[in-house]
Amino acid sequence: AQTVTQSQPEMSVQEAETVTLSCTYDTSENNYYLFWYKQPPSRQMILVIRQEAYKQQNATENRFSVNFQKAAKSFSLKISDSQLGDTAMYFCASAASGTYKYIFGTGTRLKVLA
Amino acid sequence: DTGVSQDPRHKITKRGQNVTFRCDPISEHNRLYWYRQTLGQGPEFLTYFQNEAQLEKSRLLSDRFSAERPKGSFSTLEIQRTEQGDSAMYLCASSSGQGSIYEQYFGPGTRLTVT
Repeated sequence: AQTVTQSQPEMSVQEAETVTLSCTYDTSENNYYLFWYKQPPSRQMILVIRQEAYKQQNATENRFSVNFQKAAKSFSLKISDSQLGDTAMYFCASAASGTYKYIFGTGTRLKVLA
Repeated sequence: DTGVSQDPRHKITKRGQNVTFRCDPISEHNRLYWYRQTLGQGPEFLTYFQNEAQLEKSRLLSDRFSAERPKGSFSTLEIQRTEQGDSAMYLCASSSGQGSIYEQYFGPGTRLTVT
């Protein structure tokens, strides 16, 4: 069975600073995908970044990047130059290859301070 | 806007009543998913459709829950004899069968309150 753990229920960061959100996962699968989703207050979830487990290179999307440590089963999200619009719940999720259901963590509430 | 839509956005019902939610996926997506999100938790998978076929159901989906996708387009999720424990946000997502098949696009959710 897959599990995803986010150990930071809440975090805050000053505008323009950098913040890292932690995620660890457990899976017995060889092929899987990892995701970070953002859920702004009262708005729908949107994909922030995705990582294929077979790729060693860490994914990046503009100000968002991941630190994927496959052996440690760690998948952290770094947000650089934080903006007020980054305030949201952030969910880490995994999906095994060949299945389509996501397994989500409990989320980290990030607040960006002006 | 051609994103995933859900209706209603909010539903308050009394215990024991039946409720039905609707999800309209992105038009070219053949895969559709339902999740449930309770306060302080991440979404939990309920069920998954490929076209009109329901291919997987979670143990969370008790016999009071039923989901359909009759023509492979929109989907409905019905809860019969609602209980207070059913109070949650019900999320629908869809994905394409090509390319980034693991990228799911989520709707805004239907928040259910059972009194």
